[in-house]
Amino acid sequence: KQEVTQIPAALSVPEGENLVLNCSFTDSAIYNLQWFRQDPGKGLTSLLLIQSSQREQTSGRLNASLDKSSGRSTLYIAASQPGDSATYLCAVGTDSWGKLQFGAGTQVVVTP
Amino acid sequence: GAVVSQHPSRVICKSGTSVKIECRSLDFQATTMFWYRQFPKKSLMLMATSNEGSKATYEQGVEKDKFLINHASLTLSTLTVTSAHPEDSSFYICSASSQGFFNYGYTFGSGTRLTVV
Repeated sequence: KQEVTQIPAALSVPEGENLVLNCSFTDSAIYNLQWFRQDPGKGLTSLLLIQSSQREQTSGRLNASLDKSSGRSTLYIAASQPGDSATYLCAVGTDSWGKLQFGAGTQVVVTP
Repeated sequence: GAVVSQHPSRVICKSGTSVKIECRSLDFQATTMFWYRQFPKKSLMLMATSNEGSKATYEQGVEKDKFLINHASLTLSTLTVTSAHPEDSSFYICSASSQGFFNYGYTFGSGTRLTVV
């Protein structure tokens, strides 16, 4: 069974610093990997989607890498801002019907 | 972009009653919808997958008679928590995909906070 782990569970950085969030998964046979942002009490906002054949995706200050062989993905957020404070979730697509296996998330606080 | 509307955002109900949560895709046809449950400080747990016009597929350990899922149209799926108990209190989130191979990623609803008293 696929297991997804996110480290660290929580992270606090001063504004302007780069953020590095890690996600690991146990089964390399994935369909894709997606990073989401969740604000307290809210739904999920999709940040980046990496297909299994891709190595990375970029959007603005965000960059996500995928290494299937080692079962790892990393989300980089450059020049963090207080508005980046949220919980970031990593999810692995485990079958062709769209089933997602989520990690527990990394709670990020960016202090002004 | 694709938008999924989930309603209600919050609901408080008495133990023993039933609660219906709606998930609508506003600007695309969702052939597949997913229902997740999230406990405080925990990850999202997939409860079931629903395809339009067919019965939902439930994950192991999820009681299909307690969590009734209907996906009668390409834009609407509902989750009914029947005979709710305090342990059913949780955050429920739906997501929708326009095709089985979700190559375009998912769109999630804003979630429903259910409190059973």
